[in-house]
Parts: sequence; structure tokens; C-alpha cells
Amino acid sequence: EAQVTQNPRYLITVTGKKLTVTCSQNMNHEYMSWYRQDPGLGLRQIYYSMNVEVTDKGDVPEGYKVSRKEKRNFPLILESPSPNQTSLYFCASSPLIGRRGKAFFGQGTRLTVV
Amino acid sequence: GESVGLHLPTLSVQEGDNSIINCAYSNSASDYFIWYKQESGKGPQFIIDIRSNMDKRQGQRVTVLLNKTVKHLSLQIAATQPGDSAVYFCAENSKAGTALIFGKGTTLSVSS
Repeated sequence: EAQVTQNPRYLITVTGKKLTVTCSQNMNHEYMSWYRQDPGLGLRQIYYSMNVEVTDKGDVPEGYKVSRKEKRNFPLILESPSPNQTSLYFCASSPLIGRRGKAFFGQGTRLTVV
Repeated sequence: GESVGLHLPTLSVQEGDNSIINCAYSNSASDYFIWYKQESGKGPQFIIDIRSNMDKRQGQRVTVLLNKTVKHLSLQIAATQPGDSAVYFCAENSKAGTALIFGKGTTLSVSS
């Protein structure tokens, strides 16, 4: 089954404790991306990757890092989480680089930073 | 700038009715639009897309209409069912094609 898998689904952590949210897709997609979803603000892009070893900032990259060492994996790293990073996070992948692709989304990771 | 918005934050319909969800966009150069459905506790799910060289596209029980003159997009759901209850987002590709620009979403509630 074609899917994007995120882990964990739920996470509560303390300010400053480094964490990683994993994302894996089994569709051999070149393009992957991270979004955060906040009430009243909708979905906003954090980082994206066009292919292995190619990553770039989205609209709200501050406080986040990513890596793309393999095509299927695109982890989101919070080196020093802060309460304003409490949000619902989605990883997405698509078969084409941007314009004509139909993005597949993971189930989401609900992060709470206290 | 790029922005995609929706006219109404909520829409309540009766089961069996037809639903129409609207979306206005500001970038006249946008050439590709997508509708997503997000059920509670899940990620957005692709419903249907349309390119700017089309005015209408139909899927199973869904139709997307595009009016480029007034920069308006709509999603029509025929014979709405309780399982259609969700938040619906319109989205477009950013100018660089590197991101999806989402509207704020319309919450559709279907009562039996």
C-alpha cells in the first residue's frame, strides 16, 4: 500500500530536549516536504526536498532542521524545541517536483512542548 | 503575493443534499489547483485537481469548477453523505513549484 509514515504520532517533550520526527514513503517519490498546521493559520511549509541531499527552506524554517540521505526518508529535527513549536506536523511526498504532483500526506505528529 | 482563501469557515448540510465549497485565489498566474479533504485525526487526502486550461473537472461525486476571470474555485459534492464530514482545503502550487499553498479550510458538517 502506497503510504507516508510518520513517527511518533503523539509526542510531549520539554523545552530544549532535542527530538526527531521520522518520515518515510514507499512510493519512490523525489519530492518530500514538512508542514505544520496551526489553528487559524492553516498548513505552512517548513522545509522541502527535491531529491537526495537537496533540501531548502519553506515559509517557517526557524528552529527546524531536515536531512535527506535516502530517497525514502525525510526526518524533521528540532534541536532545541520551544513551546511555540507545539503544533500538528505533516510530512508529504509527491511523484513530481512540485507543479503537477499530487501530494500524499502522512497521518500527522502532534507535538506538545512544555 | 500568493494566497489561497476560502469564503466560509463552516458549512452544514443535510444528508443527500449537494454541497458547494468555495475558494478564492489571488495569484492570477496560478495554473494548477488541488482540493484536499482532511478528516479528524488524519492527514490531508487528495480529492481532485484541475489545471488552468480547464473550466471543469469531474470525479466520483465531486466536481471542481474554475473561474479564472474572477479567480474563483469551487468544489461540488453530490448527494453528500455523513462520511463527507471533514475539513476541505483548496491549494495551489507556489510560483516556484516547491510548495503547496493552502487556504484556511472549510469545515463541512453533514447531518442525517
